[in-house]
Formats: sequence, C-alpha cells, structure tokens
Amino acid sequence: AQSVTQPDIHITVSEGASLELRCNYSYGATPYLFWYVQSPGQGLQLLLKYFSGDTLVQGIKGFEAEFKRSQSSFNLRKPSVHWSDAAEYFCAVGAREYGNKLVFGAGTILRVKS
Amino acid sequence: DAGVTQSPTHLIKTRGQQVTLRCSPKSGHDTVSWYQQALGQGPQFIFQYYEEEERQRGNFPDRFSGHQFPNYSSELNVNALLLGDSALYLCASSFAGGAGNEQFFGPGTRLTVL
Repeated sequence: AQSVTQPDIHITVSEGASLELRCNYSYGATPYLFWYVQSPGQGLQLLLKYFSGDTLVQGIKGFEAEFKRSQSSFNLRKPSVHWSDAAEYFCAVGAREYGNKLVFGAGTILRVKS
Repeated sequence: DAGVTQSPTHLIKTRGQQVTLRCSPKSGHDTVSWYQQALGQGPQFIFQYYEEEERQRGNFPDRFSGHQFPNYSSELNVNALLLGDSALYLCASSFAGGAGNEQFFGPGTRLTVL
C-alpha cells in the first residue's frame, strides 16, 4: 500500500534559522513527489514538485527539496525561515500507475518564534 | 485566471441530511479530484472524475458520490450524513495530459454535521 510518513507533528524554529521537514514514502511505482503548504482555514498551495531528473528541486518562497531514492525520502528545506512561513506543510506522493491520486502525509505544523 | 473555486465556503447540516458541494476547475483543466481533510489530518482521496466519469475511487462508502459536467465542473454529494463526515472538503483540478498530474487545490468547503 502507498503511504507517506511525516515524522514530526510540530516543529518550532527561530526566525532566520534553517529548516528541514522530513518526508518518507512507501510506493510501489516511480513516484511523483510534492510539498504543499496550508495556512489556517485555507486550501493547499503547491511549494514544489519532483517528477524526474535533477533530484534537488527549487520551489516558491525560497524552499527546496531533495529526492533520495535510496532512502525513500523527499525532505523540504529552507535556509532562513521567515515569520510568514508559519503554517502546516504536507508531503504528497502520486504515480501514473496508481491513477495519479495523491497520498498525503499527516502534516507538520511549523511554528516560528521571533 | 480564477483558479479552482469551490462553493459554498461553509455549510452546517444535521445527521441524516444530504449535501452537495461544487467545484469549478482551473481554466484548461479537465480532471477533478475530491479530497476529505478531517481536523488534524492530511487530505484523503475520495474520487477523481475525467470525461464525466469516475476514474478512480478511494476508500469511501457509496454515500459519497459525484458528477462531472461537460464544462468540467464537478459536484460531490454525500447522503445520510454522519458526524464523522465533518471535515474540510477540497477539490483539486489537473490536466490529464500534463506531466506528473500536478493538482491545483481550491480553498475548500468546511462541512459541519451536527
């Protein structure tokens, strides 16, 4: 069965500090990988995506993620966090072999302290 | 481009009632997927519509049904509402011919069942 694990439910970082949010997946096909961000009461905004090619992908708002096939991971990083980054972050996996439905992790809530 | 739009924004129903939620996809998109996001959880795939047919379905009972219209807009219907159906319902649109089936999400409809 397809599954996505985000081990950290909550993370608190200081403004200006670096950030890494973890994502591990279990999938029986070549995955497409996504990171979405959700502010309270809002829908999901796509931060970045990996389909193929270069395993380090750049996204919006200064975020990047690295696909590591050997570790089944797709961790999200940002070198310097801003207070406006406080939100909930979701990792998601899809594959054409599974009809392109997205399987989401449970999310990581990011708190930024000033 | 208005992006993905959903209506209504909020809805309150009582147990046993029926509800219809609506979604208009992003311009140029032909595929609509529906997700249920319970409080504190990641979105769960309900089903996907393409060419006015249900193409794929997640692990949801038959009380959940849908429809896609010739203009690609979609409805989600839930019959015999249960308290556990209270959630944020997200619609996502995509282009079937696109790489990786990148999905764009609407703001969601918050359903409360009393």
